[in-house]
Amino acid sequence: KQEVTQIPAALSVPEGENLVLNCSFTDSAIYNLQWFRQDPGKGLTSLLLIQSSQREQTSGRLNASLDKSSGRSTLYIAASQPGDSATYLCAVRPGANSKLTFGKGITLSVRP
Amino acid sequence: KAGVTQTPRYLIKTRGQQVTLSCSPISGHRSVSWYQQTPGQGLQFLFEYFSETQRNKGNFPGRFSGRQFSNSRSEMNVSTLELGDSALYLCASSDQGTDTQYFGPGTRLTVL
Repeated sequence: KQEVTQIPAALSVPEGENLVLNCSFTDSAIYNLQWFRQDPGKGLTSLLLIQSSQREQTSGRLNASLDKSSGRSTLYIAASQPGDSATYLCAVRPGANSKLTFGKGITLSVRP
Repeated sequence: KAGVTQTPRYLIKTRGQQVTLSCSPISGHRSVSWYQQTPGQGLQFLFEYFSETQRNKGNFPGRFSGRQFSNSRSEMNVSTLELGDSALYLCASSDQGTDTQYFGPGTRLTVL
């Protein structure tokens, strides 16, 4: 059974800092991995999707990497801003038609 | 394209009642997935429908059911509501079900 872990549960950083959010999963046989952002009381917004054959994806100040052999993914946020404050969740899809399994998320606070 | 819409946005019910939630996916998307989100358990997968067929099912009791119509709109029903069913219910759509998931804003259900 695939399990997804995100540690720490919360993180507070000063504005402008570069930061890395970690995601680990127990079964390295994955189909793809997706990073989401969730603002309080709202739905999830997709940030990046990495297919199993890819090592990384980039969008603006965000870069996500995938290392299947070690069961890890990282989301790198460059030059953090207060508007980046949100909960960041990663989700793993084990197979082509299987369900997404989510981590519990990391709540990020960027202090002005 | 319009995003994923969910109705109603907020619901208050009492124990023992039943409730129906609706989700309209992005135009052209054939896959709709439903999730329950609570502070303690995080995001938990309920079920996925693809072209009117249930393709995946999570570990929820039979009180939780769903369906998908020919226009890809989906409904989920919860019967005999319990206090523990209070949660944010999210639906997500995608074209094939294996690519990027787009989430709606959620329905906040409170059971009194």
